[in-house]
Amino acid sequence: QKEVEQDPGPLSVPEGAIVSLNCTYSNSAFQYFMWYRQYSRKGPELLMYTYSSGNKEDGRFTAQVDKSSKYISLFIRDSQPSDSATYLCAMSAQGNNRLAFGKGNQVVVIP
Amino acid sequence: GAVVSQHPSRVICKSGTSVKIECRSLDFQATTMFWYRQFPKKSLMLMATSNEGSKATYEQGVEKDKFLINHASLTLSTLTVTSAHPEDSSFYICSASQGASTGELFFGEGSRLTVL
Repeated sequence: QKEVEQDPGPLSVPEGAIVSLNCTYSNSAFQYFMWYRQYSRKGPELLMYTYSSGNKEDGRFTAQVDKSSKYISLFIRDSQPSDSATYLCAMSAQGNNRLAFGKGNQVVVIP
Repeated sequence: GAVVSQHPSRVICKSGTSVKIECRSLDFQATTMFWYRQFPKKSLMLMATSNEGSKATYEQGVEKDKFLINHASLTLSTLTVTSAHPEDSSFYICSASQGASTGELFFGEGSRLTVL
């Protein structure tokens, strides 16, 4: 079993819809959870960063972590065409900057 | 803040030549930088961890003599692909942390290497 599982999609939604992305993981030592956005031919951009379980909201983005289920989610409200990108989940253990990445989810927001 | 710059963004070279890619932390000091490789529509694969003032730590299966990493200062790490071959063509990305081991990394823009 891979450390981090993420269904690569792709996912197409109409503009204004809610985008829901998720990852599951197997390593219970993971404490830090990130979502990165990557546009084509660009480096990943840190979007959301969460420590341990709970929710975090930043504008149209909400990140949720459920450590008991080893499940994390990213929600994008009122999606825009500019949100079209690949979204990668990543996580790491305490005291460790070696990130374990999901495969990435390609999202296309259709105007 | 927390900007990581990578150069060149794109490079094309002939088979057998060596190519150097630079990764700079512009507004913070990075004792540790990471180098990744990414194939089309695939996730990032960690190649090595670059530590300032010491030897890099390579992941299993990554040839250290092929991918030379130098972390000469707190703001600069370089990756040199030696004797490049077409199978080395890929997207190479670096990342750096601001210090705390919390997994919060900032990535460069990536360098697309094409070996003819």
